[in-house]
Amino acid sequence: EIVLTQSPGTLSLSPGERATLSCRASQSVSSSYLAWYQQKPGQAPRLLIYGASSRATGIPDRFSGSGSGTDFTLTISRLEPEDFAVYYCQQYGSSPRTWTFGQGTKVEIK
Amino acid sequence: EVQLVESGGVVVQPGGSLRLSCAASGFTFDDYTMHWVRQAPGKGLEWVSLISWDGGSTYYADSVKGRFTISRDNSKNSLYLQMNSLRTEDTALYYCAKGADIVVVVAALDYWGQGTLVTVSS
Repeated sequence: EIVLTQSPGTLSLSPGERATLSCRASQSVSSSYLAWYQQKPGQAPRLLIYGASSRATGIPDRFSGSGSGTDFTLTISRLEPEDFAVYYCQQYGSSPRTWTFGQGTKVEIK
Repeated sequence: EVQLVESGGVVVQPGGSLRLSCAASGFTFDDYTMHWVRQAPGKGLEWVSLISWDGGSTYYADSVKGRFTISRDNSKNSLYLQMNSLRTEDTALYYCAKGADIVVVVAALDYWGQGTLVTVSS
C-alpha cells in the first residue's frame, strides 16, 4: 500500500504570500494519479487538482500542482483569505486498487 | 447541479450493524464510480470503499474489508454502505463522493456530500 507523507504539518503565512505544500509517496504513483483537496472547517473536501497538475473546474489559477513519481507539490501563488484551510493529497488507483490520503497540511494565518 | 445527500448515521453499540445511504442527483448516476470516505472527529480523511458505475467492481480499505459492503441501485440513483461488526474506531463522518471521470474506476473525487455521522459507543 502506498503511504503519502505531507509536509509541513502546519504552514503559517500571511495573505499575499506564496504557499508550497509537499506530498511524498512511499512508492511511485501510477500515471501521476495524484489529487489535491481543500477542506475548510465544517465543510466537505473540494477537489483542487487531479492528475498531479490539472486544475478542477472552477479552481482559480493561483492553485497549481506539479511533480511525478514520488514527489508532488501544491503551490498557492498568492494566498487569499479564503485559502486558509487544510489541504490533503490523495493517490488513486495504484496497484492494489487503493485510494489513500496524506495526513493533511494546515495553512493558517500568521 | 450535482447533489449527494447521505443519511443513516446514528449511535450504535460496538458489534452492531448499520446501513448508510447516499441519494444522488444532477448527473447520470450509472455512468460514474462512487466512493465512501470517512473522517474521524478532528482527524484526516480515510478512503473506505468504491463501487464501479455498473456495480461490477468493488474495492475496500484493509481496515473495513470483510465487515463493510458497498452497493448501489442505479434505478434509484442511490449508493449504500452496509456496516457490520462495528468498532469504536469506525466512529466518523462518512462522506459519499463521486468519481470524476465517466465509466472509469481510476479517477479523483470531484463532488462530495456533507456527510452522515456514525458513532460507535456503548
